[in-house]
Amino acid sequence: DIQMTQSPSFLSASVGDRVTINCKASQNINKYLDWYQQKHGEAPKLLIYNTNNLQTGIPSRFSGSGSGTDYTLTISSLQPEDVATYFCLQHSSRPLTFGSGTKLEIK
Amino acid sequence: QVQLQQSGAELVKPGSSVKISCKASGYTFTSYDMHWIKQQPGNGLEWIGWIYPGNGNTKYNQKFNGKATLTADKSSSTAYMQLSSLTSEDSAVYFCARYTWYFDFWGPGTMVTVSS
Repeated sequence: DIQMTQSPSFLSASVGDRVTINCKASQNINKYLDWYQQKHGEAPKLLIYNTNNLQTGIPSRFSGSGSGTDYTLTISSLQPEDVATYFCLQHSSRPLTFGSGTKLEIK
Repeated sequence: QVQLQQSGAELVKPGSSVKISCKASGYTFTSYDMHWIKQQPGNGLEWIGWIYPGNGNTKYNQKFNGKATLTADKSSSTAYMQLSSLTSEDSAVYFCARYTWYFDFWGPGTMVTVSS
């Protein structure tokens, strides 16, 4: 199974800050990496698919990058409504595996 | 619009089974894989497996072989997951999610609590 190591596990930042969250795969996942946002008590929501493709309706302050084993989600200017837990997911091979999550809070 | 409606919370006894449902609407049910994902309180997400309702093909995470059984009813556009031989480790929220090379729509989740 491909292990996804996500960091940091907790992040506190101010409104307007640039925020980055990282996921490292245990092997090359060929950009088959998605990012999801989960607000408290809700289902996860797709933000970015296949490393850098913004899902329809998602604000442009969210972006993704990476290749090989290393991937990054960036929020260019943090907004209060971005408080959530963020997960990465690799779908390069079965079983699909998620990162352990990053809980993002406003300072 | 695409919607996935899941069945309500379940309180079940250890050793028993439970079957939860995911009713799809707003799209052609038989044309998309339906996946199931487990989330334990305070924990991350685990992929359980998927079913292709068009022909009933399934694929499971080896960890859930013998624990989860996925089925689908084309006539009602509903996917089901049965969990058997329940223990406290199965207490979790279970999500269904439509897959089109990514999970674009999710159900709201069904909480299963295993307790005597």
